[in-house]
Amino acid sequence: QSALTQPRSVSGSPGQSVTISCTGTSSDVGGYDYVSWCQQYPGKAPKLMIFDVTKRPSGVPDRFSGSKSGNTAFLTISGLQAEDEADYYCCSYEGRYTGVIFGEGTKLTVL
Amino acid sequence: QVQLVESGGGVVQPGRSLRLSCAASGFTFSSFGIHWVRQAPGKGLEWVAVISYGGDEKYYANSVKGRFTISRDNSKNTLYLQINSLRAEDTAVYYCAKVAYIYDTRIPNFDYWGQGTLVTVSS
Repeated sequence: QSALTQPRSVSGSPGQSVTISCTGTSSDVGGYDYVSWCQQYPGKAPKLMIFDVTKRPSGVPDRFSGSKSGNTAFLTISGLQAEDEADYYCCSYEGRYTGVIFGEGTKLTVL
Repeated sequence: QVQLVESGGGVVQPGRSLRLSCAASGFTFSSFGIHWVRQAPGKGLEWVAVISYGGDEKYYANSVKGRFTISRDNSKNTLYLQINSLRAEDTAVYYCAKVAYIYDTRIPNFDYWGQGTLVTVSS
């Protein structure tokens, strides 16, 4: 039950785009369209940004988008803003053991 | 508005027990599965357990199976997590999180989270 693989950190300048990857297996990310992404500021609770791979909850800017290819899901943030600097976690349904598996987390730095 | 408020955390000695609570409001509690997710200091999110809307389905992470018990009281709009035989590695902020889809249990679309309650296991 290892965590989904995410890059430890990514960075970008204001206005640029960044993409965060989330790699799993055919038993989780690749097997179901149930990948979500959460944003977390230090000391705060996570916030849902993307669910079901590509859907955005109401109130989340359309600068945030999700996609998937094979066993890897992606979160793309376009038009980077200073307030996007946070930790991002992917999460997937896992059909074999636990039912839910999180990614390791990625720290986004806005330069 | 939807609110989830955890309580019950604190400093506990290794081997002791603790019961966490998550009080819900602002939605039909009895219609949604609820998860527990924890985060050790400086670490990532770790899924702990889930209970179905009716309480008849329960699933646990392997790391807590046999020591943690998830339950709910729909008449009180409250979720619980009983933690036994506490270990140092259980030290974490424990969050409850609501699933987005009505009557769903295991799809991890956590549309609302509580603020978390800190459990510290130390002698």
